[in-house]
Amino acid sequence: QSVLTQPPSVSGAPGQRVTISCSGSSSNIGAGYDVHWYQQFPGTAPKVLMYGNINRASGVPDRFSGSKSGTSVSLAITGLQAEDEADYYCQSYDSSLSGVVFGGGTKLTVL
Amino acid sequence: QVQLVESGGGVVQPGRSLRLSCAASGFTFNRYGMHWVRQAPGKGLEWVSFISYDGSKTYYAGSVKGRFTISRDNSKNTLYLQMNSLRAEDTGVYYCARGQGFLTGSDYWGQGTLVAVSS
Repeated sequence: QSVLTQPPSVSGAPGQRVTISCSGSSSNIGAGYDVHWYQQFPGTAPKVLMYGNINRASGVPDRFSGSKSGTSVSLAITGLQAEDEADYYCQSYDSSLSGVVFGGGTKLTVL
Repeated sequence: QVQLVESGGGVVQPGRSLRLSCAASGFTFNRYGMHWVRQAPGKGLEWVSFISYDGSKTYYAGSVKGRFTISRDNSKNTLYLQMNSLRAEDTGVYYCARGQGFLTGSDYWGQGTLVAVSS
């Protein structure tokens, strides 16, 4: 059971918009600790997408955006493309655990 | 360009030890903190440990505290993870990743090295 909760899977058709949520608590996201997002393709290392909740990493298209509300953050992908099909993970810090935590991951399927 | 290359993985029996290395190049190694993150087969990412740029501060996940030790040799641009008393649940791909600080995201990751703990 991950401290940060993500939906196991989301899907969308090409061109559509999807969102991936990352729900935490008062000891992590709610405490103001930044959330970072990663994209991982099968058999490869993760790649950073977003820093500090809303900031895109270098080279990441503006189809990707982040938002935060209370104890949750979301990653939105607009204009969905087949190449976006991957696993997505959120990451933050948890003061109760005194450590870095990841969400369980969300598999994005492009229909 | 930034490169992180892990090595040292393999098959090891439960209770034994293994040391992983991560060779860094393409950036000023002694200016960056470094993480170890692992991924069990078919599972999600799990943070393992972090070391500050100068090695003065280290942090561990509860699941490895007291068994794993992170260290670095800035003269060799190399990060290490000493893993003792290995358990089956330590099996997975171990990645090293660069981070500005403990709470910042990781902008570069190695390709990973596989550790399999099995009798």
